[in-house]
Amino acid sequence: EAGVVQSPRYKIIEKKQPVAFWCNPISGHNTLYWYLQNLGQGPELLIRYENEEAVDDSQLPKDRFSAERLKGVDSTLKIQPAELGDSAVYLCASSRDGQYNEQFFGPGTRLTVL
Amino acid sequence: AQRVTQPEKLLSVFKGAPVELKCNYSYSGSPELFWYVQYSRQRLQLLLRHISRESIKGFTADLNKGETSFHLKKPFAQEEDSAMYYCALRGTDKLIFGTGTRLQVFP
Repeated sequence: EAGVVQSPRYKIIEKKQPVAFWCNPISGHNTLYWYLQNLGQGPELLIRYENEEAVDDSQLPKDRFSAERLKGVDSTLKIQPAELGDSAVYLCASSRDGQYNEQFFGPGTRLTVL
Repeated sequence: AQRVTQPEKLLSVFKGAPVELKCNYSYSGSPELFWYVQYSRQRLQLLLRHISRESIKGFTADLNKGETSFHLKKPFAQEEDSAMYYCALRGTDKLIFGTGTRLQVFP
């Protein structure tokens, strides 16, 4: 079992450029999460999907961030345009059938915005 | 307010010494608490949850509702315990993480 897969692992871009992160959850996991982890902080939830439906996106800055999970499996998180303050680690996690089951985390994507 | 506080950024001990990583929470309902661990170059993973009342890798954590605490303890630290530890609270609709404590165990 590969676990949650994320790509790329690292990304360096200039401010105002777009960037996208991809996540493939563990097979059979219907719930998918995107977290933001700033340096020295714990993960903070950005968005939670149940299958293809975004059931909690209250913390997602919708002016520049967007996410999709079209077929209820893999997911993409996009930032357009990126700002210096977006430099952080973006974590994806998945769990079986809802948020009350154990979450399994991916390795994360470390974004640096110059 | 729903909040998790880990007051120590870094805890350094020698091998064989007892370890206590502190975690305090703020939550008006019945709390569900977890400890997550991240070893060097590995992904974040669940260590234990209070409802299981289990010992994992020698670690235990007891929920103290009176003190709103969920401290992680181990009687004899090992070098392989060196990692980043995060306390987390299941809030109304999501996991809320603390800022983490880095545990360093010296030989």
